[in-house]
Amino acid sequence: QKEVEQNSGPLSVPEGAIASLNCTYSDRGSQSFFWYRQYSGKSPELIMFIYSNGDKEDGRFTAQLNKASQYVSLLIRDSQPSDSATYLCAVRGAGGFKTIFGAGTRLFVKA
Amino acid sequence: NAGVMQNPRHLVRRRGQEARLRCSPMKGHSHVYWYRQLPEEGLKFMVYLQKENIIDESGMPKERFSAEFPKEGPSILRIQQVVRGDSAAYFCASSPTLTGASSYEQYFGPGTRLTVT
Repeated sequence: QKEVEQNSGPLSVPEGAIASLNCTYSDRGSQSFFWYRQYSGKSPELIMFIYSNGDKEDGRFTAQLNKASQYVSLLIRDSQPSDSATYLCAVRGAGGFKTIFGAGTRLFVKA
Repeated sequence: NAGVMQNPRHLVRRRGQEARLRCSPMKGHSHVYWYRQLPEEGLKFMVYLQKENIIDESGMPKERFSAEFPKEGPSILRIQQVVRGDSAAYFCASSPTLTGASSYEQYFGPGTRLTVT
């Protein structure tokens, strides 16, 4: 079992729709959870981080964390073509400093 | 520019040569991480360093790879006797001093694209 799993996609949504990106992790003691966006040929860009169960909203982005289910998601409201990128889920485990990245989900937003 | 800086942005080496990749963290950040990314793949953790200390190098290949973060100057990832399989994008990230849970987010540099011919 991979430590951090994401559906590779591609996930295709029409402009203006809600894009839902999901991630599961195996280390039950994980403490910190991050979402990064990576455009082709570019470096990852931090979008959001979340540490507590529940929802965290920032503009059009909402991160959701459910530690009991070992599940974290990212919702993008009013999706725009400029949101088309690969979204990386990252998890920092308990007691360590290493952050494990998922392989990423490719998102396409169709105009 | 207050962001993470990496140089060179592109590096071409012939098999058997050495590659040196440099990373200067964001101002005020004392933690540096190195990752490798192969085309169409995710980021693979290599090493985590603080000034003058290697904290976690569990992702580093046992041979040919080394990293340092001296008291003065940038962090350096060194690859000796490069092989074609070392061709990848190498990203450096930095994070602030760990004073609380909100300090673990990492900010990435633009990366160094290494091509081994």
